[in-house]
Amino acid sequence: DVKVTQSSRYLVKRTGEKVFLECVQDMDHENMFWYRQDPGLGLRLIYFSYDVKMKEKGDIPEGYSVSREKKERFSLILESASTNQTSMYLCASSNPLSYEQYFGPGTRLTVT
Amino acid sequence: QKEVEQNSGPLSVPEGAIASLNCTYSDRVSQSFFWYRQYSGKSPELIMSIYSNGDKEDGRFTAQLNKASQYVSLLIRDSQPSDSATYLCAVKSPSSYKLIFGSGTRLLVRP
Repeated sequence: DVKVTQSSRYLVKRTGEKVFLECVQDMDHENMFWYRQDPGLGLRLIYFSYDVKMKEKGDIPEGYSVSREKKERFSLILESASTNQTSMYLCASSNPLSYEQYFGPGTRLTVT
Repeated sequence: QKEVEQNSGPLSVPEGAIASLNCTYSDRVSQSFFWYRQYSGKSPELIMSIYSNGDKEDGRFTAQLNKASQYVSLLIRDSQPSDSATYLCAVKSPSSYKLIFGSGTRLLVRP
């Protein structure tokens, strides 16, 4: 079974803090993704990576950056957290042949 | 026009009935399609993937794909209250590894 884990289920941060969200997958998948999900707005892609040290912007990259130093780990960084970044953050990984994406449990981030 | 469209629902069906969830997509060259189930407060869980025209069955779930009409559907037979969730349709972008998700259909199965 594919396992995708995320570093925290719940996180509370203050405005202006630097926030790191980490994601680890154990299936040797090349592709990894970060989404945020908000009521009424659905899943929105922030960044994705198709290889170590490679990244591509998704639909809403502003205010975020990512890091992929190892194949199994993909980190999302909020350089200076703002209240409008309060959201559920979901990480996923996929096999490049089947394209099936498998999600981690999510991190509910609150920025106060 | 949204790239992947779903009726937001809620779709309400009685226990034991067939629930039919529909999804249309705009890019004619799309080749890979997926259904996810998402319970409230949880992350999406992959139910089915389908790549060829026709039906694909897995237990109580059947995915149907019609590329000519650009729609994909999910049938849930013998619906159970535990099937109550939001169902997300996703289509692989033809030009990258991204999946494009619909906004989801909320299904409510009444006991």
